[in-house]
Amino acid sequence: AQSVTQPDIHITVSEGASLELRCNYSYGATPYLFWYVQSPGQGLQLLLKYFSGDTLVQGIKGFEAEFKRSQSSFNLRKPSVHWSDAAEYFCAVGQTGANNLFFGTGTRLTVIP
Amino acid sequence: DAEITQSPRHKITETGRQVTLACHQTWNHNNMFWYRQDLGHGLRLIHYSYGVHDTNKGEVSDGYSVSRSNTEDLPLTLESAASSQTSVYFCASSRDGTMYEQYFGPGTRLTVT
Repeated sequence: AQSVTQPDIHITVSEGASLELRCNYSYGATPYLFWYVQSPGQGLQLLLKYFSGDTLVQGIKGFEAEFKRSQSSFNLRKPSVHWSDAAEYFCAVGQTGANNLFFGTGTRLTVIP
Repeated sequence: DAEITQSPRHKITETGRQVTLACHQTWNHNNMFWYRQDLGHGLRLIHYSYGVHDTNKGEVSDGYSVSRSNTEDLPLTLESAASSQTSVYFCASSRDGTMYEQYFGPGTRLTVT
């Protein structure tokens, strides 16, 4: 069965510092991978997605993520965090032949000045 | 612009009452989903539909039902509201195929007293 693990419940970084949010998945075949962001009181917005090809994918708002098959990971990164990046971040995985996504439990990002 | 809307945005109801949450999308997507979001659990799938007259149970379907009479709408009904169903509910839709991301509505905050 598919599963998604986000081991960090809460991360605090200083504005301008780099960020890495971890995501590990469990799935037998090549997964389809997504990162979503949820600002307070809002719905989820897609940041980026990976289906195939180049394992480093670029997203909106300066985010990028790298797919590492050997580590079953899809970590989200940003070189310099802005205060507006404070939000909840969700990793999700899709499976071949289905339309469902499986979500991790989320990582809450706090940005301090 | 195409969008996905939810109504009401906030609802307070009493235990035992029937409640229906509306979800409407203008993307013309075949796939629609209902999730609940609770602290520590992330997003959990309640029900989903792959097209008109198709409905499927998700991870936490007990006490909930859906019906799909057209492409645009997937209302979620709580047959007899319980305090454990106090949560934030999100509707989402997607095109056919796992590689297509889900688009989320703004959410409905439901409180059962």
